[in-house]
Amino acid sequence: GQQLNQSPQSMFIQEGEDVSMNCTSSSIFNTWLWYKQDPGEGPVLLIALYKAGELTSNGRLTAQFGITRKDSFLNISASIPSDVGIYFCAGQLISSGSARQLTFGSGTQLTVLP
Amino acid sequence: ETGVTQTPRHLVMGMTNKKSLKCEQHLGHNAMYWYKQSAKKPLELMFVYNFKEQTENNSVPSRFSPECPNSSHLFLHLHTLQPEDSALYLCASSLGENQPQHFGDGTRLSIL
Repeated sequence: GQQLNQSPQSMFIQEGEDVSMNCTSSSIFNTWLWYKQDPGEGPVLLIALYKAGELTSNGRLTAQFGITRKDSFLNISASIPSDVGIYFCAGQLISSGSARQLTFGSGTQLTVLP
Repeated sequence: ETGVTQTPRHLVMGMTNKKSLKCEQHLGHNAMYWYKQSAKKPLELMFVYNFKEQTENNSVPSRFSPECPNSSHLFLHLHTLQPEDSALYLCASSLGENQPQHFGDGTRLSIL
């Protein structure tokens, strides 16, 4: 089946630093999603990408859909303590009106040090 | 505040018990999902329902039995579970199967 490699698995950064994480796939997707999960809560959708090459921002977050359709990255600028959490990428292939299941990465655990 | 509500938030049960997890979405979505989240592993899709009809069963053991009485409610009936079934069970919904999914806060299940 499809596999997503998400890296890094964990990051420790100083408050104010920028962060970058990425996902690569063994097969193509036509939708990439980025989620954040706080302790004791479910994943929350941050950014959705639908087109190869697309670059989308949500506040301090920026995500890009790779032109090969097999990768995506998420950047967080000027990190703050509330950015702490686990970030998941997810890819989906939709064709002929039907959707294959969403495939998730293993997550990046982000810790922001004061 | 999430538009997808799961109850209970925590559940401890013995291997011989029968219990049910409930999910309700207030988003007007048509598709609902059950996922299993274990430590250090990607989310595992269990079941998908679209307009109350099951469209995906991801080789889930029969000790997990889903029920979708309408597009707003989804249940997961549990019986004779194993210790390895201890995990966070997440419900999600989406407008359609090709739309982004929105998650509830999950039920933390512990099997004794």
